[in-house]
Amino acid sequence: EVQLLESGGGLVQPGGSLRLSCAASGFTFSTYAMSWVRQAPGKGLEWVSGISGNAFGTYYADSVKGRFTISRDNSKNTLYLQMNSLRAEDTAVYYCGKEDCSGGGCPMGFDPWGQGTLVTVSS
Amino acid sequence: SYDLTQPPSVSVSPGQTASISCSGDKLGDKHVSWYQQRPGQSPVLVIYQDIERPSGIPERFSGSNSGNTATLTISGTQAMDAADYYCQTWDTSTGVFGGGTELTVL
Repeated sequence: EVQLLESGGGLVQPGGSLRLSCAASGFTFSTYAMSWVRQAPGKGLEWVSGISGNAFGTYYADSVKGRFTISRDNSKNTLYLQMNSLRAEDTAVYYCGKEDCSGGGCPMGFDPWGQGTLVTVSS
Repeated sequence: SYDLTQPPSVSVSPGQTASISCSGDKLGDKHVSWYQQRPGQSPVLVIYQDIERPSGIPERFSGSNSGNTATLTISGTQAMDAADYYCQTWDTSTGVFGGGTELTVL
């Protein structure tokens, strides 16, 4: 069974940093692109960042470009999101999602999603 | 940036057909996925590549995409289908979600 488990969320002050992790199991992790998607409280889904299976391709939403860095360790089956210069508007539940191809931007959608980890940016 | 527009809410009676639209410039030239999100739960993929259903998704869920509009159709809607639904596509390797539609079954 494919499983994704996010961790690393918490309360951080504006301007601070946080690193999220997504532990994957049940599939050959290095073969598939992965993405981070967030959802602010009471709001809709927002794609944040994606990475190809071999980590050569990384992609970012304009809202986080230059502040967030996506990476992966295929030897540990783990996806990461390093978040710097955090702002109040970054407060959200962050989900990781598996794409069904290796290159990123897969037409088959995100399946499955993890349970999410909450990031709260507040003083 | 590329935008996808969904109606904020749709209502349907049990057993009837619900249609949720998603519009964007030349959306028919792109692939669209649809997600269901029940309260307090993670999103679930219900349609991918415009018309395909993942295994385990009931046959009453179907999709279409042409011109500037993609549509998610739920036939014989059940109370358990009440949820938020989001369309999603890609624009030059950047993911884009619609604003979401709350489906009410009453």
